[in-house]
Amino acid sequence: GQNIDQPTEMTATEGAIVQINCTYQTSGFNGLFWYQQHAGEAPTFLSYNVLDGLEEKGRFSSFLSRSKGYSYLLLKELQMKDSASYLCADGGATNKLIFGTGTLLAVQP
Amino acid sequence: DTGVSQDPRHKITKRGQNVTFRCDPISEHNRLYWYRQTLGQGPEFLTYFQNEAQLEKSRLLSDRFSAERPKGSFSTLEIQRTEQGDSAMYLCASSPSGLAGGVSYNEQFFGPGTRLTVL
Repeated sequence: GQNIDQPTEMTATEGAIVQINCTYQTSGFNGLFWYQQHAGEAPTFLSYNVLDGLEEKGRFSSFLSRSKGYSYLLLKELQMKDSASYLCADGGATNKLIFGTGTLLAVQP
Repeated sequence: DTGVSQDPRHKITKRGQNVTFRCDPISEHNRLYWYRQTLGQGPEFLTYFQNEAQLEKSRLLSDRFSAERPKGSFSTLEIQRTEQGDSAMYLCASSPSGLAGGVSYNEQFFGPGTRLTVL
């Protein structure tokens, strides 16, 4: 089976750095995705990791350790508009995405 | 606008009625997915098409649910005899097929969703 775990909620301060962790157990790994979802909107793609290590993309970075079944999303220089739900998803062996419940990030002034 | 579109954006229906939703994927994408999302949860996979072939269906997809993609372009999702538990956001996503680092790369682009309320 497949299982994705991530914290339910996090709070951080504008301008700070926040790390959102995700652990996964999967029967057929096909990459680890992070999506951002603002309330009432569709998820939008942030990052994809298939090999171990850190992928940096502007203020957002994502890390993967396949041996540990672990990923994190790092958000730097937080802005109020970063308040959203961040979804970790396993690509799976059959192309569907298996999502966690999402981490609701609240950025405070 | 060349993104994924869905119609309608909102649907309110009475229990027992049938509803149909439409998804138009990004034109060059051959893969199309349907997901369902309830409040406070991540999207849950329902079904997946590659071109016109329906390749996988979730156990969540009861026999009241049927999806089609007759010409390999747009797709429809029909729910028959709706129940209150069907109330959710129904998301459609599309993706190209391709490779990155030797692994099938599956970035999915989501539409705005259809919010279904069953009274």
